[in-house]
Amino acid sequence: QQPVQSPQAVILREGEDAVINCSSSKALYSVHWYRQKHGEAPIFLMILLKGGEQKGHDKISASFNEKKQQSSLYLTASQLSYSGTYFCGTEGGGSNYKLTFGKGTLLTVNP
Amino acid sequence: DAGITQSPRHKVTETGTPVTLRCHQTENHRYMYWYRQDPGHGLRLIHYSYGVKDTDKGEVSDGYSVSRSKTEDFLLTLESATSSQTSVYFCAIKQQGNSYEQYFGPGTRLTVT
Repeated sequence: QQPVQSPQAVILREGEDAVINCSSSKALYSVHWYRQKHGEAPIFLMILLKGGEQKGHDKISASFNEKKQQSSLYLTASQLSYSGTYFCGTEGGGSNYKLTFGKGTLLTVNP
Repeated sequence: DAGITQSPRHKVTETGTPVTLRCHQTENHRYMYWYRQDPGHGLRLIHYSYGVKDTDKGEVSDGYSVSRSKTEDFLLTLESATSSQTSVYFCAIKQQGNSYEQYFGPGTRLTVT
């Protein structure tokens, strides 16, 4: 079953912060985050593993609440280059690493 | 860049014709995946492979078959293309070893008329 992402779309001004949520009805082993720009392939951002630490690099970080089967992606001091569609992919463990993706969150950063 | 190429990058075909898409990787990855991406649906898994000649179905496998006769190539075949199979198709690999990261190829845009 597809994880549910929220919000579906968000518009920011450069420098503002955003949070994108990903929620699953199934027990999760890992959550993967990707960003995709129009006409391009999804680009891997980060992965969070069950029992692992919160990840982050630069101004993008993420958390994983295993008990609630939820993950959140945090974008701080957004830049124009952050614009795109963000997808979470979830994996339940022992499944040949198959990912189930949410429908995506469209993030638009304006000057 | 995980050394993944897809061919063709664009294809227009007619309903009822067979179509084969190719995913080629150069880094000896064991796990390979085919996804389709449609507006409003995100990425959906069609088939995947966990080794040479080892494949299994994903969530939207009807109308598709795959083959993997060597590590570097994973082929996706539409036996008789339908308009509902118009989509963008992405191949992905899982990084080797203990890494769980998956990386995508550049995609193939398929239009069935």
